[in-house]
Amino acid sequence: GEDVEQSLFLSVREGDSSVINCTYTDSSSTYLYWYKQEPGAGLQLLTYIFSNMDMKQDQRLTVLLNKKDKHLSLRIADTQTGDSAIYFCAESSSSNTGKLIFGQGTTLQVKP
Amino acid sequence: NAGVMQNPRHLVRRRGQEARLRCSPVKGHSHVYWYRQLPEEGLKFMVYLQKENIIDESGMPKERFSAEFPKEGPSILRIQQVVRGDSAAYFCASSPMGQGPGNTIYFGEGSWLTVV
Repeated sequence: GEDVEQSLFLSVREGDSSVINCTYTDSSSTYLYWYKQEPGAGLQLLTYIFSNMDMKQDQRLTVLLNKKDKHLSLRIADTQTGDSAIYFCAESSSSNTGKLIFGQGTTLQVKP
Repeated sequence: NAGVMQNPRHLVRRRGQEARLRCSPVKGHSHVYWYRQLPEEGLKFMVYLQKENIIDESGMPKERFSAEFPKEGPSILRIQQVVRGDSAAYFCASSPMGQGPGNTIYFGEGSWLTVV
């Protein structure tokens, strides 16, 4: 079945870049998403990318997609303490784009 | 311009009681999804509904859980005879369409169920 894997924890210093990685198995994935969740809060959609793209940039966020290796990454430039949160990678197929498969989340800790 | 509204935000139930979680989708959205997030885990798909129809319930536990999305009113996720293992955050999401390009799914703030 479909599976999405992420590393569980990343610690960086304020001002450094953060790179959060994700791998997925479903070759029919059409959309890939990055969500942010702060403690006790809901999900905030950060960005998403169509599978026919290999890069998307939005201010401090850069998403890279390697479709051949089924690898997705999220780079956060100039990481701030407010970026501390759990980041979820998710994928969906074109047959049902609302049915997302989520990774287990990467906790990003930003040290001052 | 209200987003997906979920209530209650926090719910405490004793073992054996019933829990009802409500979700009002974004205005004009006719597709609703429920997800469950167990402590320190990612979200898991439970059920996908359109108005008055269950389209995909492949993630729903076979017993005690049910969902509906009536013609009028919010979608309801109902958990009967709750057990401690049901303690989780339940997220609702809505979208304007089920498939095709340009679809964006909107998540609510979640309902946190604690079973004591």
